[in-house]
This record gives sequence, C-alpha cells and structure tokens, in this order.
Amino acid sequence: GNSVTQMEGPVTLSEEAFLTINCTYTATGYPSLFWYVQYPGEGLQLLLKATKADDKGSNKGFEATYRKETTSFHLEKGSVQVSDSAVYFCALSEGSGGSYIPTFGRGTSLIVHP
Amino acid sequence: NAGVTQTPKFQVLKTGQSMTLQCAQDMNHEYMSWYRQDPGMGLRLIHYSVGAGITDQGEVPNGYNVSRSTTEDFPLRLLSAAPSQTSVYFCASSARLSNQPQHFGDGTRLSIL
Repeated sequence: GNSVTQMEGPVTLSEEAFLTINCTYTATGYPSLFWYVQYPGEGLQLLLKATKADDKGSNKGFEATYRKETTSFHLEKGSVQVSDSAVYFCALSEGSGGSYIPTFGRGTSLIVHP
Repeated sequence: NAGVTQTPKFQVLKTGQSMTLQCAQDMNHEYMSWYRQDPGMGLRLIHYSVGAGITDQGEVPNGYNVSRSTTEDFPLRLLSAAPSQTSVYFCASSARLSNQPQHFGDGTRLSIL
C-alpha cells in the first residue's frame, strides 16, 4: 500500500534559519504530492502541491520539488519566521488508475524562536 | 465562502452517551471524510464517502457510524462513547480527483469522561 514518511519532530530553529523537513513516499502509481500546515487550534490547510515529477510547488516562501528518482518531496524555506511555527504534514494521492484517498504522514512540529 | 463547517467545536460527554458530530461543505465536493488526530498518531481515517448514499470504512471505524444523504452533509455518530474516543476530529472534503487537495474543517475537540 501507499505510505508517507516524515522526519520526526519537533524541529526547533531560530528566526531566519533555513528549514528542511524531509518527506519520502511509496506509491503504486503516479501520485500527486502535497504539504499541509496546521496552526494551533485549527484544521489542516494546503500549503503547496506538485502533481508530476520535477514539478516544484511553492507558497509563502516554502518550496518542495517532486523527485521521482528518490521518491521524495522535501519542504524547504530559506528564512523562517516565528509565525511559521506549526505542524506540517506531507501527503500523497494516487494518480490516474489508483485511489484518490489521500495518505498522510504523521506530521512534523516546527518551533521557531525569536 | 464557508468551506467545511464542523459543529460543535468542543464537547464533553460521559461514557456511554451518544452524540453526532456535524460536518457540512458548500463546495459541491463528492468526496468527504472523517479523521481523528491523537498525539503522536498523526491523522487516522475513520470513514469516508465518495458521494451521496455511498460510505466506506477507513482505518479506525469501530465505534463510529456515518451516513451521506446529501452531497453537503456527512455526520459522524458515536453510538456509545468510550474514553478511548477522546480526540480531535476533523472533517475534510475534496473534488473526486487525485490531484485536488483536501479542505479541512477547524475540528471538534471531544472529551469522554
């Protein structure tokens, strides 16, 4: 079956530091890949997505590139802010011919200190 | 545009009580689902629906029932609440396409005493 593996947190950084949150996946078909963010007391919201190999998703200074050869979709940001403190979820949904039910990673908590 | 609306936001129940968590979406999405979120466990799929009149079980369906009589609504029922069902519950919806994201509600925080 499909699976998503994220690095365990919490990840603790100082403001303006570089962020990487690793995500690798296994899938039987050609999935679309997503990053969601969950702020305290809220539901998940889409941060960015990529639907085919070598696509780069980007939003709010965050980026992730769909790497089919390494089955990875690592989240990066060049300079984090305190307001980026949240839980980040990597997810996949199968492409054509497969299931559209998404598979989520367990989430990575990010704490940014001033 | 309300998106996905969950009610109530907070609820405390006694063991053995029943209740229904409400979920409504106004985006005409075919696919709806319920998750529970527990510390260290990520999101676990309880039940899902691919359209009105169609439901199926997810990873952790025991103790929960669902129905989908309309496209907009997907209530989750706890027939006899147990302390193990203390959790945060999220409803999500999406278009029935794999490249479309899930839209989540703000969650219902449920405590079973």
